[in-house]
Amino acid sequence: EEQLVESGGGLVKPGGSLRLSCAASGFTFTDAWMSWVRQAPGKGLEWVGRIKSKGSGGTTDYITPVKGRFTISRDDSENTLYLQMNSLKAEDTAIYYCVWIGLGSGTLPLHLWGQGTLVTVSA
Amino acid sequence: DIQMTQSPSSLSASVGDRVTITCRTSQNINNFLSWYQQKPGKAPELLIFAASSMRRGVPSRFSGSGSGTDFTLTISGLQPEDFATYYCLQSYSTPWTFGQGTTVEVK
Repeated sequence: EEQLVESGGGLVKPGGSLRLSCAASGFTFTDAWMSWVRQAPGKGLEWVGRIKSKGSGGTTDYITPVKGRFTISRDDSENTLYLQMNSLKAEDTAIYYCVWIGLGSGTLPLHLWGQGTLVTVSA
Repeated sequence: DIQMTQSPSSLSASVGDRVTITCRTSQNINNFLSWYQQKPGKAPELLIFAASSMRRGVPSRFSGSGSGTDFTLTISGLQPEDFATYYCLQSYSTPWTFGQGTTVEVK
């Protein structure tokens, strides 16, 4: 069964750091493009960024508000995706979802979502 | 960045109704448009990809249409389990952007 399980969320003070992990199973993680999406409490969905497979260059893209503060990385040997978050701000408070991007159609839908992990940035 | 305009932001409907949600993009995205359903306290789920292709297992009452800048999600014959929030997403160019969401409520 294809599955994504996030971990690492919690309460952190403004200016602090946190690393989220996402354990993937049931599909070939090495070939997967992966994304992080967040949702602030009571708000809509916001795409955070993406990492391509190493075979596709392994490059990353981010939304402007997190550029220079967040880093998406992957460990293909462990089938794990990471989101390193530094210099956290109150506006980063959200549920963070790990998502597998579908490549079959060429239009890159967000095919499979994890259950999410809550990050709260507060003093 | 590509701007998304999703409407309406909410609607009230009854079981059996036909519901239409629209998504307009600020530039041509061909068919790089997908639709998601999110129920309270749950992660979103993919319904439609490539503007009009249904994900396997999604009931046939859901359909998507459109290309270019104007897209539509239609639910033909609303069921009790369809009361939820729906989002569109463009994945044509980064940063990918979501619509604001449409909450389908019980009338």
